[in-house]
Amino acid sequence: SQQGEEDPQALSIQEGENATMNCSYKTSINNLQWYRQNSGRGLVHLILIRSNEREKHSGRLRVTLDTSKKSSSLLITASRAADTASYFCATDKDSSYKLIFGSGTRLLVRP
Amino acid sequence: DAGVIQSPRHEVTEMGQEVTLRCKPISGHNSLFWYRQTMMRGLELLIYFNNNVPIDDSGMPEDRFSAKMPNASFSTLKIQPSEPRDSAVYFCASTPGGRNTDTQYFGPGTRLTVL
Repeated sequence: SQQGEEDPQALSIQEGENATMNCSYKTSINNLQWYRQNSGRGLVHLILIRSNEREKHSGRLRVTLDTSKKSSSLLITASRAADTASYFCATDKDSSYKLIFGSGTRLLVRP
Repeated sequence: DAGVIQSPRHEVTEMGQEVTLRCKPISGHNSLFWYRQTMMRGLELLIYFNNNVPIDDSGMPEDRFSAKMPNASFSTLKIQPSEPRDSAVYFCASTPGGRNTDTQYFGPGTRLTVL
């Protein structure tokens, strides 16, 4: 199974609403990253949170990390139609150089 | 900077043919990754180069796959012979440092279809 597992697999919300996506992982990590992938495009890095951090903000993005529960959440506030994309969490498995991606959450923001 | 450049963007080939995918990482980045993305298996790391040297190729599915990085600005992923199950989107990514904890910058991908 993958190191990072996102939940839910798919999310549909109205423009202006908040979107919350969760990620769970299994082993110790140095950091956790979130990426966005628009349809037909490559992944774009959104935010990185280190294992000694609990919360991080970037614009409308808020990421939390709970290492005791091995979980992270990504909150997008005041969503826009342009936020429609797939969102992936990625962890460095066992503090190695490998970046393991989850299966992603497909977000649809309806205008 | 132009970002990570991949070519071709789309490739359609017949089973048994050789396929070569190309990648130009961001200038100054010394780590390069090749990934494969499919609906069934998600995003998988195939191979990782650091300073042009292959560090980990454990993700390469089989001997039909090979990758090279002759210099800091160019890498290739070759599949010979190709099979229908190789159909996927192949991404190249680069980072400034030697550890994957750095942000990875992805190219637009090559969509490969093997008939």
